[in-house]
Amino acid sequence: GAGVSQTPSNKVTEKGKYVELRCDPISGHTALYWYRQSLGQGPEFLIYFQGTGAADDSGLPNDRFFAVRPEGSVSTLKIQRTERGDSAVYLCASSLGTSGSGSEQFFGPGTRLTVL
Amino acid sequence: AQKVTQAQTEISVVEKEDVTLDCVYETRDTTYYLFWYKQPPSGELVFLIRRNSFDEQNEISGRYSWNFQKSTSSFNFTITASQVVDSAVYFCALKGNKLTFGTGTQLKVEL
Repeated sequence: GAGVSQTPSNKVTEKGKYVELRCDPISGHTALYWYRQSLGQGPEFLIYFQGTGAADDSGLPNDRFFAVRPEGSVSTLKIQRTERGDSAVYLCASSLGTSGSGSEQFFGPGTRLTVL
Repeated sequence: AQKVTQAQTEISVVEKEDVTLDCVYETRDTTYYLFWYKQPPSGELVFLIRRNSFDEQNEISGRYSWNFQKSTSSFNFTITASQVVDSAVYFCALKGNKLTFGTGTQLKVEL
C-alpha cells in the first residue's frame, strides 16, 4: 500500500533503555508529524518536519526525546533513558502541504511502546 | 492557545438510530481548520472531513453530516441511521499552526 508505515508495530523495553521508532511517510509528502497518544486520550503533537528540518518541536516533552529526518523522507523518533510514563502509542502522519495549510494529515498505524 | 472539547466520553445507540457527536473549540486564530477523524478498534486514524474557518456551509456525505457554527465555536458531527461498523472513537481536531485533538467520543452501535 501507499500509506504511512511505522515500524515496529509494538515495542517492549525496560526502563532506562534507548528506543528508536521509524516512520515512512507517503511518497511526495513534504510534511511529517509525530504524535503521542495515551490511553483514552487524543493524539498530542510532538514535532513537525518540513523537508529535512524540524520546523516545530514544541511538543517534545523533554530532552530525552529527539527526532530526525535526514533525507526528507523517513523519520526516526528517538527516546533516551525511557521511563514508564513514556508508554503510549506513537503516531506518525504526513501531508502534502505545509503545517499552516489545511492539508489533511494521513496517519500511520502507530507504534505501541511499553516501558516496563 | 488552542483547545478542543468533546464533552461526550461515550455514546451507545441501537443500530439505525441517528447520533450527534459534539465538538466545541477555542482559538485566537482568524484562519483555522477543523477536522473529524475516526479511530476504529484497529487503531489507525481515518480522515473524515476538513472545514476551513471561512466556510460555514454544512456538509453531507452519505450518512454523515457536519454542522459548523462559528458563532458558538462548534463543529458537530451527525451519523444518520447508524450501523455497527460505525463503532469507533471519533476525534474532532483544530488546526491553526498545529493540529490539536479533543479527547474523543467512543461510539458504540449495538444491534
